[in-house]
Parts: sequence; structure tokens; C-alpha cells
Amino acid sequence: NAGVTQTPKFQVLKTGQSMTLQCAQDMNHEYMSWYRQDPGMGLRLIHYSVGAGITDQGEVPNGYNVSRSTTEDFPLRLLSAAPSQTSVYFCASSRLGGDHYGYTFGSGTRLTVV
Amino acid sequence: DQQVKQNSPSLSVQEGRISILNCDYTNSMFDYFLWYKKYPAEGPTFLISISSIKDKNEDGRFTVFLNKSAKHLSLHIVPSQPGDSAVYFCAAINDYKLSFGAGTTVTVRA
Repeated sequence: NAGVTQTPKFQVLKTGQSMTLQCAQDMNHEYMSWYRQDPGMGLRLIHYSVGAGITDQGEVPNGYNVSRSTTEDFPLRLLSAAPSQTSVYFCASSRLGGDHYGYTFGSGTRLTVV
Repeated sequence: DQQVKQNSPSLSVQEGRISILNCDYTNSMFDYFLWYKKYPAEGPTFLISISSIKDKNEDGRFTVFLNKSAKHLSLHIVPSQPGDSAVYFCAAINDYKLSFGAGTTVTVRA
């Protein structure tokens, strides 16, 4: 049982480059989300999805795109990277409904934009 | 504007003593509150939660208290152990979206 798998673990980009952070879960969770963690800010919600074909913006969506074509995958796209996007990114998934202890996080992607 | 606030960035406690972590929130629509623990280079892991209709939830060494009138919750760890040294995040749920506090780094001294 792999849980939530994020790739890559580390990435360095030049300003203006594009890339996709991958997130996959094998728990058949309906809900998936992306967070970024910055010093002194906690984790902030970027985008989320409550099921295949449904996505919505979180607290800090600018500069990021997402899609949800399958239940398992929820990639995060940076179309034109900026130094302000240097951060640690976490993907999380959960069942919808039931007890609220089901949020499972991936191990993170550390992104540096130079 | 952060809806969940942890005003103490760090806490140092002696092994065997109680650790008390505090959290305040502003959104009265939150229906669940959670505490997550995070080690370096790992994702947050769930620790304990409490429904907004309860005032206490206990799980082994961990107890969470909720004071809705004050919009305040706290996490008690008794007794504190060296393995408890980590960053602790308070989080709250509204419409399946988690809002996090900035975190408190706990160091347990031998």
C-alpha cells in the first residue's frame, strides 16, 4: 500500500521554465489537494479536487494549473516558474465524508526556482 | 489572512513532562479540528482530531481540548518523549478544505 506518491522529490528550475509535479494515490480517495509550505506560513492550499473532472482553486492558486482525469492522479503544473514559487509542495488525499482523520500526505517535492 | 494561528513558533520541554500546544482560529464555520506532526523531509502525519461539537478527545498520550466560545484549541502530550520532537501543525476543516497554522517546533530534552 503506497499511499500518496509524489515525484520528483527535488527539482531545480530556471525562471520561466515549466514543469509538472506528479501526485498519485492508490486508496481510491475522492478528494485530492496540493499545498505549499513556506517558512512561518504553515501549509497553504493551492488547488483541490473532489473527484475526476472536478477541480477548484484554493488560497494561493496563481501560477499553478491542475487537472483530474482519473481518481488516482492529480498533477500540478507550473507554466512559467518564478522565484516566488520556491517552496516545498505536498499532495494530500482523503475520502469524502466519514471521520476526518483520512487526510494522507505525500512526502513532498522541494522545488527551487533560480 | 490566516484563519488558523499558532502563536508559539517553538516549545522546549523536558522528557516526561507535559507539552501544551495552543491554536486559535477565526472561522466559526470550521467543523473539525486536527493536529498533524511533521518530521524533516517527510509529509505531515495525522495525530488526533476533534469534532466542533465536542470539547475533548483523548488518544493515548495525546489529548485535544476545544473551547468554541474562545475559538481556541490545545494539544496536550503527556508524558513527552524524545520521539515527540517534531513540528506540530494545527489544522481546521471547512467544506473538506484544510487550513493550517504556521506550526510549533517541539523539542523534548533528555
